[in-house]
Amino acid sequence: AQSVSQHNHHVILSEAASLELGCNYSYGGTVNLFWYVQYPGQHLQLLLKYFSGDPLVKGIKGFEAEFIKSKFSFNLRKPSVQWSDTAEYFCAANSMDSSYKLIFGSGTRLLVRP
Amino acid sequence: EAQVTQNPRYLITVTGKKLTVTCSQNMNHEYMSWYRQDPGLGLRQIYYSMNVEVTDKGDVPEGYKVSRKEKRNFPLILESPSPNQTSLYFCASSLRVHTEAFFGQGTRLTVV
Repeated sequence: AQSVSQHNHHVILSEAASLELGCNYSYGGTVNLFWYVQYPGQHLQLLLKYFSGDPLVKGIKGFEAEFIKSKFSFNLRKPSVQWSDTAEYFCAANSMDSSYKLIFGSGTRLLVRP
Repeated sequence: EAQVTQNPRYLITVTGKKLTVTCSQNMNHEYMSWYRQDPGLGLRQIYYSMNVEVTDKGDVPEGYKVSRKEKRNFPLILESPSPNQTSLYFCASSLRVHTEAFFGQGTRLTVV
């Protein structure tokens, strides 16, 4: 079955630390990948997306993600986090070949300490 | 302003009392869907709609109904709510099924 896994459920960092959140998917064929962010009390907003082309994708607020097909991974990175990055981050995927579902990972709660 | 609007934002109801959560988008999107968000489980899709009059079950459809009579609206109906449907619900829309989703502000439902 198609699935998306986020192995880090809670991450605590100090400001200016580097961030990497893991995301693995189990899809065959062509896949679209997304990272969404949910700030406290708010709805989900798109950080970045990968459909095709350059596997290194740059998003808003200094975030980037790298699609590594051989590892079925789409990890989210930021070189230097800020307190305002405290939020929950969701990886999501859907398949161009089948399924009309956008499947989400279970999320990673990031707390950035000032 | 392009947006997905859900109402109400907060709702407390009793077991068995039918309710409807409305969702409307102003972007002429074809694809709409409903998710519930529960701690540790991420977002799980309840129902989705490819276009007007075309709906299908997601991963957790039990206890829910939807309709898509107009392109902009996609209400979620709980005919007989139960406490295990207490959750945070999000409506989302996208231009096509495989493009990015835009989310509503969420509806926090409590069933007592």
